[in-house]
Amino acid sequence: LAKTTQPISMDSYEGQEVNITCSHNNIATNDYITWYQQFPSQGPRFIIQGYKTKVTNEVASLFIPADRKSSTLSLPRVSLSDTAVYYCLVGDKNTGGFKTIFGAGTRLFVKA
Amino acid sequence: NAGVTQTPKFRVLKTGQSMTLLCAQDMNHEYMYWYRQDPGMGLRLIHYSVGEGTTAKGEVPDGYNVSRLKKQNFLLGLESAAPSQTSVYFCASSSYTGALDEKLFFGSGTQLSVL
Repeated sequence: LAKTTQPISMDSYEGQEVNITCSHNNIATNDYITWYQQFPSQGPRFIIQGYKTKVTNEVASLFIPADRKSSTLSLPRVSLSDTAVYYCLVGDKNTGGFKTIFGAGTRLFVKA
Repeated sequence: NAGVTQTPKFRVLKTGQSMTLLCAQDMNHEYMYWYRQDPGMGLRLIHYSVGEGTTAKGEVPDGYNVSRLKKQNFLLGLESAAPSQTSVYFCASSSYTGALDEKLFFGSGTQLSVL
């Protein structure tokens, strides 16, 4: 299983773009990269998933370089409500989530 | 849509007591999971199930048992609770469709304290 490394915490201000980078040097050929968001007292919530290049949805963008050894979650124009813990996960989605390992995540704090 | 529902939301146990946490999902998902989350840490997988009648051990299975008698329900049991099992427990489910955005759906958690 590919181990991931993320910054422990980040601070930002409302309206700024936030980029959280995740390192996964041992990513396997069949592995996908998935990001989850967790608010206090809630379960994690899916944000975005990708395999290579760029993926964008209504919430975020995910940038994955050609070597796939890292990925960057981009949150455009954050607000106070984006304060949460963000988890980067790497795993083979074709085998279900049971091989998914959650690290400590990145605590994002958005200030007014 | 209810999604994934966990009961109870809070529970306090004395050391040695037993209890069962219930997880129910209404999305017809094949896979279900139980995680625990300790303060300031990520989630660790306790047990999981890939279908009705099947269960398997995850990363931290000791002290827990599970059952999946019905596809929509996944029960987590503590036979003899210990203070080290004080944690927040999350249940999750997922489907296997091969879709690009396949994902885990989580319940809201159960805060368990063992005194």
